Amino acid sequence: QKEVEQDPGPLSVPEGAIVSLNCTYSNSAFQYFMWYRQYSRKGPELLMYTYSSGNKEDGRFTAQVDKSSKYISLFIRDSQPSDSATYLCAIPNAGKSTFGDGTTLTVKP
Amino acid sequence: NAGVMQNPRHLVRRRGQEARLRCSPMKGHSHVYWYRQLPEEGLKFMVYLQKENIIDESGMPKERFSAEFPKEGPSILRIQQVVRGDSAAYFCASSPTDYGNTIYFGEGSWLTVV
Repeated sequence: QKEVEQDPGPLSVPEGAIVSLNCTYSNSAFQYFMWYRQYSRKGPELLMYTYSSGNKEDGRFTAQVDKSSKYISLFIRDSQPSDSATYLCAIPNAGKSTFGDGTTLTVKP
Repeated sequence: NAGVMQNPRHLVRRRGQEARLRCSPMKGHSHVYWYRQLPEEGLKFMVYLQKENIIDESGMPKERFSAEFPKEGPSILRIQQVVRGDSAAYFCASSPTDYGNTIYFGEGSWLTVV
């Protein structure tokens, strides 16, 4: 079993839609959960992270962790064409981050 | 721009040649990480370095690959005798703290082996 598994996508949504991006993980000891955004031919950009369980909101983005089911989600409200990118969940552990394979999102105007 | 700087951005090497990729961390960061992204695959950890020390190289291929982060100058990822399968994007990241949870990536170096 992979340490981090990500819903593969791709996802295509109309502008203004709510987007849900999801990952599961295997090790219940993990405490930090990260979301990165990667545009084509660019480096990953840290979007936001959560520690332990619960929600964290930053503008149109909400990160959610459910430790009981080992499930992490990123919600994007009022999606924009500029949100079109690949989204990567990641879990750091002692200096080594394990990434999901990414979900490619396209937001159509 | 105080971001993570990588060069070259694009590199073409013939099979059997050497590739050297350089990374300067963000100002104030002394921890460097290298990741590889193969075509159509996710980011995979390669190595974690501090100045003059390799902390974790569990993701490095056993042969042909090496990394260093000298006291002065950038971190270097070196690939000897490149093969077509080494064609990938190589990303460097840095963090300000030990075993950083939040790491900041550079724009990557795209290696093509012909």
